[in-house]
Amino acid sequence: AQKVTQAQTEISVVEKEDVTLDCVYETRDTTYYLFWYKQPPSGELVFLIRRNSFDEQNEISGRYSWNFQKSTSSFNFTITASQVVDSAVYFCALSDLDSNYQLIWGAGTKLIIKP
Amino acid sequence: DTGVSQDPRHKITKRGQNVTFRCDPISEHNRLYWYRQTLGQGPEFLTYFQNEAQLEKSRLLSDRFSAERPKGSFSTLEIQRTEQGDSAMYLCASSPTSGGSYNEQFFGPGTRLTVL
Repeated sequence: AQKVTQAQTEISVVEKEDVTLDCVYETRDTTYYLFWYKQPPSGELVFLIRRNSFDEQNEISGRYSWNFQKSTSSFNFTITASQVVDSAVYFCALSDLDSNYQLIWGAGTKLIIKP
Repeated sequence: DTGVSQDPRHKITKRGQNVTFRCDPISEHNRLYWYRQTLGQGPEFLTYFQNEAQLEKSRLLSDRFSAERPKGSFSTLEIQRTEQGDSAMYLCASSPTSGGSYNEQFFGPGTRLTVL
């Protein structure tokens, strides 16, 4: 069965530090999608990235970068030079054929950036 | 189009009352999803529609819950005879089924339900 594990429940760093949020997934399908969402204190889930299983290129968007490694079934998210506004809960999610492409969510990692 | 909208944003009700929430998806998105999220947890899937057809329902969706999307546009989620355990954030999302944003779910701000 599908599963997404975010082992880090909470991470606290000082502003300007780099921080990596881990995500490990399980799926039997060869075609699947991985996602990261941000949920700030306001509560709205904000889409950050979608990656399909055939594209292992790492992606960088400003201070955000994602490292997709099929060999370890991981899709980790790094924030460089963190800022207080990055404080939020971050969710990793998976969708595949087995789940009829519904999102299977990790438990989330609460990121606290201290000034 | 400014995104997915939900109404109301907050609802406080007494146990046993019925409540109804509305979701307006992004207009060109034909898939619409309902999730429930409790504090400290990730979203839990409740149901989804493709156009007006309700294609899947979670076992979390007891017979007190019903969802509709009559014309394939907005959707409503009704909870009958609310219980305190229904207190949660109810999230709606929509996604296209083709194009560059295929399968990307865009979320509304949610409706926070408190059952007293």
